[in-house]
Amino acid sequence: EAQVTQNPRYLITVTGKKLTVTCSQNMNHEYMSWYRQDPGLGLRQIYYSMNVEVTDKGDVPEGYKVSRKEKRNFPLILESPSPNQTSLYFCASSLYPNEKLFFGSGTQLSVL
Amino acid sequence: GIQVEQSPPDLILQEGANSTLRCNFSDSVNNLQWFHQNPWGQLINLFYIPSGTKQNGRLSATTVATERYSLLYISSSQTTDSGVYFCAVDWVLNSGYALNFGKGTSLLVTP
Repeated sequence: EAQVTQNPRYLITVTGKKLTVTCSQNMNHEYMSWYRQDPGLGLRQIYYSMNVEVTDKGDVPEGYKVSRKEKRNFPLILESPSPNQTSLYFCASSLYPNEKLFFGSGTQLSVL
Repeated sequence: GIQVEQSPPDLILQEGANSTLRCNFSDSVNNLQWFHQNPWGQLINLFYIPSGTKQNGRLSATTVATERYSLLYISSSQTTDSGVYFCAVDWVLNSGYALNFGKGTSLLVTP
């Protein structure tokens, strides 16, 4: 089944403890991106990747890192999480940047 | 960046009713997409519609790019239609690409 898989689905952590949210797609998509969703602010793009080894900042990149070493994987890294990074995170992918976008199931992160 | 405005922000319908959701955007775009976020948080792509009209069952969408708006029609609404509907438009950055989302229309369909 064609899908975007995120893990974990839920994550509770403490301030400063490094964490990684994984994202994998099995559709051979070139474009991948990360969003965070917050009440009243909607969905905001964190980082995106046009292709392997090509990543760039979105609207709210501070405090996050990404890497795209393989086409299928696009992990989101929080080196030193803070409470203001408590949010619902989504990974998404599309065949090319200007194509239909598919989302993962989301990761609810709480930073205490 | 490009501004995306959706209306209405909230909508309550009785099952069987029809509705129209609107998305206005502030600049030229290459495409527009509609998404449904169900009560469990999943985001489902409903339409990829840079222009023209598309239909998928009880849902249809129309984008008039020259006038910078898109409409999502829901006919004979069902309780499973509840959730938040987002439109998103893309624009090309200097080195890449971004997708901007509206704040969404929250729909509740009652039995």
